Amino acid sequence: DAMVIQNPRYQVTQFGKPVTLSCSQTLNHNVMYWYQQKSSQAPKLLFHYYDKDFNNEADTPDNFQSRRPNTSFCFLDIRSPGLGDAAMYLCATSTRQTGAGYTFGSGTRLTVV
Amino acid sequence: AQTVTQSQPEMSVQEAETVTLSCTYDTSESDYYLFWYKQPPSRQMILVIRQEAYKQQNATENRFSVNFQKAAKSFSLKISDSQLGDAAMYFCAYRSLKGGSEKLVFGKGTKLTVNP
Repeated sequence: DAMVIQNPRYQVTQFGKPVTLSCSQTLNHNVMYWYQQKSSQAPKLLFHYYDKDFNNEADTPDNFQSRRPNTSFCFLDIRSPGLGDAAMYLCATSTRQTGAGYTFGSGTRLTVV
Repeated sequence: AQTVTQSQPEMSVQEAETVTLSCTYDTSESDYYLFWYKQPPSRQMILVIRQEAYKQQNATENRFSVNFQKAAKSFSLKISDSQLGDAAMYFCAYRSLKGGSEKLVFGKGTKLTVNP
C-alpha cells in the first residue's frame, strides 16, 4: 500500500545532542511537510518542500533543518535539541492539487532528556 | 493570513447518538478547500471529509457530514450514530487555492469522547 513512513516511532535524545528524524513515501507526491505537534495543540508547520524547493516558515527556529535528497525521502535535523523541542513530529505529503489534502505518517515522538 | 477556530476543546457523546463539532475560519479568499482530520490517540492523522468552497452542496462520507455556511465562514462536522472508534482529536483545516499555498492551516482541535 502506498504510504508515508516515519522512523523511528519514538526517539529519545540528550539535551544538545543532534538528532535526525526520517520520513519516506511511496506516493510519489511532490510536496513534503514537517509539522511539530505539542500535547493537545494543533500541528505547527516547520517547513515544506515542493520538489527540491525548500520553504521555511518565518517562525521556525534555526535549530531545525531539513533535507530532501530525492522524491521519496525527507529528513528533519534538530541541531541542538532543547527541552522545549520535545513533541510529536509529523511528516505529511501532498500533490500540489489543493483539494487533495495531506497524507500523514504515524509521527515520531521525540523526548529530550 | 487565514485562521481557523475550533471553539470546543472537548466534546462527549453517547454511543449511537449524534454530535456536531464546530469550526469557523477567517479568509478574504473566495475559493478554497476545507477539511476535517481525525487523530486517534497515538495513531496517525487521517482525512475524514473535505469540502470545496465553490460547491454549495454539503459533503457527506457515510456517517460524517458537514454543514458548510460560506457567508458565515462556518464548517461544522456532524457525526451520526457515533461509535467507540470515533473517539479522537478532530482538526478542522483550511487550504488556499492560490498558487504556492500548499500548506494547511489547522484549528486547535476538539477532543471527542464517546461514552458506551
